[in-house]
Amino acid sequence: GQQVMQIPQYQHVQEGEDFTTYCNSSTTLSNIQWYKQRPGGHPVFLIQLVKSGEVKKQKRLTFQFGEAKKNSSLHITATQTTDVGTYFCAASLYNQGGKLIFGQGTELSVKP
Amino acid sequence: EAGVAQSPRYKIIEKRQSVAFWCNPISGHATLYWYQQILGQGPKLLIQFQNNGVVDDSQLPKDRFSAERLKGVDSTLKIQPAKLEDSAVYLCASTLGSGRADTQYFGPGTRLTVL
Repeated sequence: GQQVMQIPQYQHVQEGEDFTTYCNSSTTLSNIQWYKQRPGGHPVFLIQLVKSGEVKKQKRLTFQFGEAKKNSSLHITATQTTDVGTYFCAASLYNQGGKLIFGQGTELSVKP
Repeated sequence: EAGVAQSPRYKIIEKRQSVAFWCNPISGHATLYWYQQILGQGPKLLIQFQNNGVVDDSQLPKDRFSAERLKGVDSTLKIQPAKLEDSAVYLCASTLGSGRADTQYFGPGTRLTVL
C-alpha cells in the first residue's frame, strides 16, 4: 500500500543545535500534517500544509511542503530539551477522505 | 473542552484471550479512528467511522479484530483471540468533520501487552 518514508529514524543533538526531519512520498499528496509525540504520550497535532511550496513557522519550528507536494520537512532551530520526542509526518491522499498515512517518525533526543 | 477519552490505559493478557478497548471522542466529532502503534513505528489506521458507519476498515484484521460505533458516539475495539504480535498501543482519534483538512485529536491510548 501507499507508504510515507520519513528520515532519519533517530537524531541525537546537543542543545542549541538545529534538527531537520524529512518526509517523502511517491504519490502527490493532498496535504500533510505534522504531529509530535512525547515519550509515553500520544500524538499531538502541530501543523497542516496544503499548498504547493508552502512554508509555515511556529517560533523555532519551520515546516515546508515541496513544490510537487510529494515531500515535506520540519526544521527546528536551536533545539531545547523540551523539543525531545518523536516527530511524525502524516499524509493525506486525494479521494481518501480523512485517512492519514503516518511516517515511521523521527525520534529526537537533546543533550543538555 | 474535554479531550478524547480511552480506557483502560493498560491491559495485560495472555495469547488467545479476548480484550476490548473503549473510546469516547470529543463531543460533536463525527469521525472516529482506531490506530495501532507498535513500538518504534508510526500509528497505523485500523478503522475509520463516520458517525456510526464504517468508512475504511481495509487494514483491520477482520478474523480477530472487530469494532463498532453503534450510536455514532463512543466506540469499542475488540480482539479475539489475541496474538503476541498484537502487543501495541491502541490509539483512538476523532475529527470534527470527515475531510482531509481536519485535525485529528488523539486519546491517551491503551497499551496492550500479550504474553
